[in-house]
Amino acid sequence: DGGITQSPKYLFRKEGQNVTLSCEQNLNHDAMYWYRQDPGQGLRLIYYSQIVNDFQKGDIAEGYSVSREKKESFPLTVTSAQKNPTAFYLCASSTTGTQGNYGYTFGSGTRLTVV
Amino acid sequence: AQSVAQPEDQVNVAEGNPLTVKCTYSVSGNPYLFWYVQYPNRGLQFLLKYITGDNLVKGSYGFEAEFNKSQTSFHLKKPSALVSDSALYFCAVRDGPGTYKYIFGTGTRLKVLA
Repeated sequence: DGGITQSPKYLFRKEGQNVTLSCEQNLNHDAMYWYRQDPGQGLRLIYYSQIVNDFQKGDIAEGYSVSREKKESFPLTVTSAQKNPTAFYLCASSTTGTQGNYGYTFGSGTRLTVV
Repeated sequence: AQSVAQPEDQVNVAEGNPLTVKCTYSVSGNPYLFWYVQYPNRGLQFLLKYITGDNLVKGSYGFEAEFNKSQTSFHLKKPSALVSDSALYFCAVRDGPGTYKYIFGTGTRLKVLA
């Protein structure tokens, strides 16, 4: 079945540590996105990528980094510069054709906790 | 700038009663509107969308939504709520003409009481 796989489901980070969240899709989608979800704040866009080797900052990119070396993969690194990283992180993908008729497909999320 | 609003943080409804979850939007051009549902510790799942055509859109799990251009609204409805409908619901609108990027509302928590 086609879909998006996020791993791990739960992740614990120590103070000052960088951690990387994985996102892989086999939908042949060109665009991929990372969102952060906090209670009462909905989804906030961290980074997005429309094509391999290219990505753009979203609304809250500080303290995060991404790469897009393959169409299928869009990993997110939460760096030590992100002072409040505890949140639920969602990866999504979409086509870039037909001007967005199909919306997004989401992964099942990674819950990151600072310990 | 494009925007979407969900004015209610939480909606409570008794099982068997009709439910409405509100969404209003502000966009330039034709709005592409979506509803998603999220269960605890899961990703968002597609419920329904309005791109063009009939103003009443039917989706998954018995949900429907009515597109109202004059009121710039896209409220989610269901004639008879189930306890299993309890979840977090997000409205999303396309972030401008000719783009495939969407912006999301802050979410409405629906609680269906037995």
